[in-house]
Formats: sequence, structure tokens, C-alpha cells
Amino acid sequence: QQQVKQSPQSLIVQKGGIPIINCAYENTAFDYFPWYQQFPGKGPALLIAIRPDVSEKKEGRFTISFNKSAKQFSLHIMDSQPGDSATYFCAASMKGGKSTFGDGTTLTVKP
Amino acid sequence: NAGVTQTPKFRILKIGQSMTLQCAQDMNHNYMYWYRQDPGMGLKLIYYSVGAGITDKGEVPNGYNVSRSTTEDFPLRLELAAPSQTSVYFCASRFGTSRDYEQYFGPGTRLTVT
Repeated sequence: QQQVKQSPQSLIVQKGGIPIINCAYENTAFDYFPWYQQFPGKGPALLIAIRPDVSEKKEGRFTISFNKSAKQFSLHIMDSQPGDSATYFCAASMKGGKSTFGDGTTLTVKP
Repeated sequence: NAGVTQTPKFRILKIGQSMTLQCAQDMNHNYMYWYRQDPGMGLKLIYYSVGAGITDKGEVPNGYNVSRSTTEDFPLRLELAAPSQTSVYFCASRFGTSRDYEQYFGPGTRLTVT
């Protein structure tokens, strides 16, 4: 049973567009929701993260929206650039160490 | 700081062979993790450790073993390699007491079993 479901699997946008990636979780014990960015041949790196006590967090062009009642959260990339082309993973973590990752979204930003 | 380092970067194994994937971190993190990433899939947790001498199973532990004798090192052992273990393996670490659970990942080991 997958605890974190991510969609879409792939996404193509034009430069300047606003791609949106969605995740849904099941376990209400999760208390930390990060997004990781991965470039080909590299390990994932933290992009932005949110706790369930806030509904939105913004860092530069990246925004997380969080809906605790619906158990959903999403990543928005404003003014997307070709350099944002990568695979994005959402995750859900809980105290005690374990994290569960979504299956990833491959984003392509066309010039 | 070197961060999280993994060796080797690439390896080809024959079915039934064994090997150890090495992982080390120099950030004094007490939590360490091993994940596998199959094409088009997310990261699946194999094993994790919350401190030296303490390890626990993740989602997909079968066919693997780990040990954690020091804070810095967390090797992953594959016994009797099978084609289903062909994957990219990532090691990660984080502080265990911080409010932020950010994991720092190594560059990965690409393993092929034929």
C-alpha cells in the first residue's frame, strides 16, 4: 500500500509557465513534507519543505501549498526555467526516522 | 565537509555474487538510510539506522543486510545477488534531533546484476 501518491508522472511546460505537482498521503502521523529535486546522475537534494501547521510556504520561485484536511500538498514553480527541468519527489516523514517518497514527476521546461 | 560519500559509483555483479556498498558521512548525523531507485519509480527504503549499533528494516529489506558500528559509516551488504537487485542505490543521512528532517543524499551507486 503506497502511502504517498504523486501526480502527474511527467509534465511539460513552456518557459515562464507554472507547473504544479500534487501529492496525497494517508498516514496522519506524518509531520514533515519535503520536496526533493533530482538531476540525472545525481542524488536528490532538498528543495523546500513544510510542516502541517502552515498552509503555504514560499522560497523564491517555489511554493508548497498544504491542505491538512484533504491530506494533500502540492509544489508550484513560478516563472519556470529550462534549468528547472529535473525529477521532483514529494515525501512524507515522521518522528522516529522513516520517510516515504512519491514515485516522482519528470518536469521538462521548454525554452 | 565531503557530505555523504558512496563507493563504488558503478558495479556489475554476476548472479549469486556478493558485495558491500560503502556509505560514509562526515556531518555527525545520527540517522542514516539506504534507498533503492528503480527506473520511473521513487525511492524505496531498504534499511535505516538511528544511531551506532541500531538498525531497522524499511519497505524492501529482503536480500540485504546492514551494520552500523560507527556514526560515520553505514555499509549495505548484498548476499547472493539477483537480477531484481539491479538498481541505483542511494545512501542518505540527517540529524535525528533537529526539527527539520532534511536528508542529505550521496551520489548513488549504479548496480547491475547479470
